[in-house]
Amino acid sequence: GAGVSQSPSNKVTEKGKDVELRCDPISGHTALYWYRQSLGQGLEFLIYFQGNSAPDKSGLPSDRFSAERTGGSVSTLTIQRTQQEDSAVYLCASSAGGRQGKEELFFGEGSRLTVL
Amino acid sequence: GENVEQHPSTLSVQEGDSAVIKCTYSDSASNYFPWYKQELGKRPQLIIDIRSNVGEKKDQRIAVTLNKTAKHFSLHITETQPEDSAVYFCAASPGYKLSFGAGTTVTVRA
Repeated sequence: GAGVSQSPSNKVTEKGKDVELRCDPISGHTALYWYRQSLGQGLEFLIYFQGNSAPDKSGLPSDRFSAERTGGSVSTLTIQRTQQEDSAVYLCASSAGGRQGKEELFFGEGSRLTVL
Repeated sequence: GENVEQHPSTLSVQEGDSAVIKCTYSDSASNYFPWYKQELGKRPQLIIDIRSNVGEKKDQRIAVTLNKTAKHFSLHITETQPEDSAVYFCAASPGYKLSFGAGTTVTVRA
C-alpha cells in the first residue's frame, strides 16, 4: 500500500467492552509504533516493535492494554474493559527501522475511539 | 524518561510574518529532534529534523535551531502563508522512543 493504514477510523463503544484497533504498516518497514493522542495533548508513546526483537511496552498505561505484531507486519492494539479515559485517537506509525528511531515516522490517519 | 515542553500552545500570526515555536527537553542523551505538522483531520507529517551534531538547519521557509547546552530547540517559519496553519509538534529522542511536546496550534491570518 501507499501508506500506513489503520482501521477502524472511528469506533464508538460502551464502557467495559473490549476493542481491537488494526494497523497495516508500509511494506518493508521493520519498526512500528503506537501512540495515543488525547484532545489538546501531545502524542503519548504506547509501544514499539522492531523486527523480531521483544517489543518495548513501557508506554502502555495499564494491563488492559496489549498489542501484538504478527509476521513482522500487521499490528493489533487491544484495549480490554474500556474506560471513558481511554477515549482518544490511537495513531500507528512505521519507519524503515535502519536508524534506530532517528528517522521519519510515517503515521496512519488514526483510529478515533469514543467510550460512552 | 524524556520530557518535552513546548511553547506557546497557540500562536496567531499575520500572513507574511514569522512564527517561532520553542521546545525544551530534559534528557541530555537526546540527539534527534524532529518537527511534525498535523493539519486539521490529517495525520502528522515530518517537516524537518535536526541531529545533535549541528546547531541549525534550513529548508526553504522553515529552520530549526538547537542549543544542546541549554537543552532547547526552536522552529522558525518565515513569510507565513495560510497553508502553514496547523498543529506543530516537536519531539526529542535519545534512541527509538520519540517523546512529543503537547503541540502548538498556529493560525495564519490573511
